[in-house]
Amino acid sequence: GNSVTQMEGPVTLSEEAFLTINCTYTATGYPSLFWYVQYPGEGLQLLLKATKADDKGSNKGFEATYRKETTSFHLEKGSVQVSDSAVYFCALSLSGGYNKLIFGAGTRLAVHP
Amino acid sequence: KAGVTQTPRYLIKTRGQQVTLSCSPISGHRSVSWYQQTPGQGLQFLFEYFSETQRNKGNFPGRFSGRQFSNSRSEMNVSTLELGDSALYLCASSFSRALQETQYFGPGTRLLVL
Repeated sequence: GNSVTQMEGPVTLSEEAFLTINCTYTATGYPSLFWYVQYPGEGLQLLLKATKADDKGSNKGFEATYRKETTSFHLEKGSVQVSDSAVYFCALSLSGGYNKLIFGAGTRLAVHP
Repeated sequence: KAGVTQTPRYLIKTRGQQVTLSCSPISGHRSVSWYQQTPGQGLQFLFEYFSETQRNKGNFPGRFSGRQFSNSRSEMNVSTLELGDSALYLCASSFSRALQETQYFGPGTRLLVL
């Protein structure tokens, strides 16, 4: 079936460290891929997205590249800040499954000064 | 432009009761989707409404239902509440149903069933 697998957390980093959160997917057809972020006590905010192979989504220093050959969409940031502490969700939507997002389990990131 | 709003933000109910949650989408958005978030199951799709019609449904029992009004506002209802229904219920809106369309989420309604 269609699914998203994320690396387990929590991920704990020092400020200014490099971040990678791995995300791989299984899907029929050609999905669109998304990263959402959830801060404590809040809903989900779209961080970035990519809608076709080799697209790179970027926002607020975060980047992710849609890799069809490895079915991956890993999230990266060169230098994290304490304010990046949150839970990050990788998600996909399928053609024909309009507006139904399939989420990974989420990865909690804690950044310490 | 105002974001997605959900009311109420917090709710406490007892087993067997029913509950209605409300979602107002971003102005101009016609699609509203609902998700349930729990620590054990994560984020799961409940259903989607577009132009007052349910277009897509997740794998939830019939106790979970919803509707959409002509102004695109949506409500979801859970009848005969069970302890396992305790969760954060998130509503998301989008302009269309296109594959590449972004869904914008509200802050959620946290439901506690005692």
